[in-house]
Amino acid sequence: EDKVVQSPLSLVVHEGDTVTLNCSYEVTNFRSLLWYKQEKKAPTFLFMLTSSGIEKKSGRLSSILDKKELFSILNITATQTGDSAIYLCASNGGSQGNLIFGKGTKLSVKP
Amino acid sequence: EADIYQTPRYLVIGTGKKITLECSQTMGHDKMYWYQQDPGMELHLIHYSYGVNSTEKGDLSSESTVSRIRTEHFPLTLESARPSHTSQYLCASSDWTGARTEAFFGQGTRLTVV
Repeated sequence: EDKVVQSPLSLVVHEGDTVTLNCSYEVTNFRSLLWYKQEKKAPTFLFMLTSSGIEKKSGRLSSILDKKELFSILNITATQTGDSAIYLCASNGGSQGNLIFGKGTKLSVKP
Repeated sequence: EADIYQTPRYLVIGTGKKITLECSQTMGHDKMYWYQQDPGMELHLIHYSYGVNSTEKGDLSSESTVSRIRTEHFPLTLESARPSHTSQYLCASSDWTGARTEAFFGQGTRLTVV
């Protein structure tokens, strides 16, 4: 069965800390690994990763994929209270080519 | 910026009523999805479509139905709403045949059945 597992499920840090969120996957017909940020509303797209070892970066956020070990990490440096959200990892693949989501990591950044 | 729209944003409705949640996208995406998400919980795929006249059931069993008569429109219908249908419904679309496979989400419809 295709699955995506995220850890930790929740995390509380203070402003300025650096955090690493983990995502492992077991997906047939793997096409890509995606990260989303969800605040109170709908998920917003952060990164799409298709190749191992190539870091994607946007400001204080970065992500990398390891297709041999079947995992990805999302790093956030110098965290701010505005980074508080649920971070969702999803894999595009499976027999129908759908997005398979993990349960998410709830990040809380305290002032 | 994603151009996918859901209406209504919020809906409170009585048990037994028929409702249709609207979803439209202007990106020309073939694939569209409906997800159900309870507060603080994971997203569950309930329906998806590969294109016009294609509808498929997702991983989570749902009493809702969908239709895809036009590429840009993917409405979800509940024939008889029940309190157990109370949830957030998220519509998404993607260009699944292309190189970019990310899905873009609408703002969601928060449904409350009383």
